[in-house]
Amino acid sequence: ETGVTQSPTHLIKTRGQQVTLRCSSQSGHNTVSWYQQALGQGPQFIFQYYREEENGRGNFPPRFSGLQFPNYSSELNVNALELDDSALYLCASSSPGIGGRGTDTQYFGPGTRLTVL
Amino acid sequence: AQSVSQHNHHVILSEAASLELGCNYSYGGTVNLFWYVQYPGQHLQLLLKYFSGDPLVKGIKGFEAEFIKSKFSFNLRKPSVQWSDTAEYFCAVNDFMDMRFGAGTRLTVKP
Repeated sequence: ETGVTQSPTHLIKTRGQQVTLRCSSQSGHNTVSWYQQALGQGPQFIFQYYREEENGRGNFPPRFSGLQFPNYSSELNVNALELDDSALYLCASSSPGIGGRGTDTQYFGPGTRLTVL
Repeated sequence: AQSVSQHNHHVILSEAASLELGCNYSYGGTVNLFWYVQYPGQHLQLLLKYFSGDPLVKGIKGFEAEFIKSKFSFNLRKPSVQWSDTAEYFCAVNDFMDMRFGAGTRLTVKP
């Protein structure tokens, strides 16, 4: 157990709908990263939030957006869902390491399994 | 943008066999390197990491990895695997812009 929680556990949506996924970070962590993990693949970086601001983004379209709140919890929003958005969405929390950005150890939550029909 | 390659999709070993899982990345600049493990039904967790210094790093549960800069590699090793090492192993590279994961290697250890 890492102390990172995600909700909901599972979600089924239809194409075109919108979805919001939630993540509570581990106590003391101010950075949250979101990943998409398709079946049989490694996690793909969506974006990272640090102190409520986006702090890096992977190769995902603007319909993937996020928020981080003052308590460092975070939301991932996906608009206009497509079939290919079906995946496990992982949240990871961390604090910047001594070496700065990129050196932090990320602690992962259990993920939200999203199915788009 | 960098890419991360894990050479083996599925590795099957008997207990006490030695393990080496390959990981190569494409980025030529400074990177931080990680191995994560996901045991059945559990979260991804960190095995070990390399930022700088001694290129041979030791992690939890007897795992180690060697960073070879000239080969852009960060292979994971364990001298003698146990049944409890059955899991999925992911190599990850952080180039200070984003974190990239390999596709993963599933390790099955037969008792």
